[in-house]
Amino acid sequence: QQQVKQSPQSLIVQKGGISIINCAYENTAFDYFPWYQQFPGKGPALLIAIRPDVSEKKEGRFTISFNKSAKQFSLHIMDSQPGDSATYFCAASGGYGGATNKLIFGTGTLLAVQP
Amino acid sequence: DAMVIQNPRYQVTQFGKPVTLSCSQTLNHNVMYWYQQKSSQAPKLLFHYYDKDFNNEADTPDNFQSRRPNTSFCFLDIRSPGLGDAAMYLCATSRDLGTGDEKLFFGSGTQLSVL
Repeated sequence: QQQVKQSPQSLIVQKGGISIINCAYENTAFDYFPWYQQFPGKGPALLIAIRPDVSEKKEGRFTISFNKSAKQFSLHIMDSQPGDSATYFCAASGGYGGATNKLIFGTGTLLAVQP
Repeated sequence: DAMVIQNPRYQVTQFGKPVTLSCSQTLNHNVMYWYQQKSSQAPKLLFHYYDKDFNNEADTPDNFQSRRPNTSFCFLDIRSPGLGDAAMYLCATSRDLGTGDEKLFFGSGTQLSVL
């Protein structure tokens, strides 16, 4: 119940295309859903995050879509660029009764944007 | 720039030989985390410190210990490394705001090899 399932494992997109990565969770106590971007040899960095009180959040070319009833959320990267090539992790947290942000990560999606 | 710094970047140890990984932060965050990330897998939380309070995850092996002598530094000790402990170890920090959506700041990680 603590798992976050992520798909696809890898994704190849042409420059200018839309990249879509999906995640699903079981624990209904989760109330915070961030996406992290990780470049080779670097630690993950927060890209965008959403709380379940909204169904969509957009920041520049990056959009999170959230479906609370289906317990699914997805990352959309519009106008994908070669510089977006990285591993993307979805994550979830909440319901622990404390304030510490203990993230449960998905298994990651390796995105390659071809020029 | 304020940041999370991990040393060394690469660490090689022998099977069964104790090893210590270090993390320092200039963000003055009160929460520090240690994650283990094996190749092509999601980061997995080992433990975290809330100020000086140590919080171990239930499935973290006893072989892994941690010390936080002050706000800025945190150490990961592996008492008797096994081949299965070879991984990237990521340190992260956050400032507890009581909202459950605090941003995690990750270091670049230490890649541990066990020979």
